[in-house]
Amino acid sequence: AQSVTQPDIHITVSEGASLELRCNYSYGATPYLFWYVQSPGQGLQLLLKYFSGDTLVQGIKGFEAEFKRSQSSFNLRKPSVHWSDAAEYFCAVGEDAGNMLTFGGGTRLMVKP
Amino acid sequence: GAVVSQHPSRVICKSGTSVKIECRSLDFQATTMFWYRQFPKKSLMLMATSNEGSKATYEQGVEKDKFLINHASLTLSTLTVTSAHPEDSSFYICSTSQGREEQYFGPGTRLTVT
Repeated sequence: AQSVTQPDIHITVSEGASLELRCNYSYGATPYLFWYVQSPGQGLQLLLKYFSGDTLVQGIKGFEAEFKRSQSSFNLRKPSVHWSDAAEYFCAVGEDAGNMLTFGGGTRLMVKP
Repeated sequence: GAVVSQHPSRVICKSGTSVKIECRSLDFQATTMFWYRQFPKKSLMLMATSNEGSKATYEQGVEKDKFLINHASLTLSTLTVTSAHPEDSSFYICSTSQGREEQYFGPGTRLTVT
């Protein structure tokens, strides 16, 4: 069975600082990996996704993520955080883009001024 | 990306009543729709998968007689919480998929059962 672990429940960073959110997955085959962001009381917005090819993927809002098969990781990064990035971030894995997704527990990002 | 709407965005109902939540795919035909449930400060848990014109497939532990899903058209799926109880209070999110394409999520419906 597939599973996703986001080790950090909460992260606080200062505005302008760099950010890395961790995601580890367990999956038997080549996974489809996603990062979503959720603002309070809102649905999910896709930040980026990895299916195949270049292991460093660029997303919206200046985010990027790197797929490392040897570490079963898909960490999300941003070089300079903005106050508007404060939200809940979810990593997810699926067997393909249109099939059911398994979500990690989420990481709540807080941004200090 | 595609636009998915949910109605209502918030609903409060009394224990024992039924509540219907609609999920609409506004600009493409969704062959598959997913219903997720999110507890406060928790992650999303898949409840069921529905394909247009066929019965929904429920995840283990989800009562199909309590959470009725109807996917009658390629643009509309409904989730009916029957005989709601306070423990059914949650944030319900739908997503749509067109074959193997990316999933698009609705804005969610917050259900509160008093």
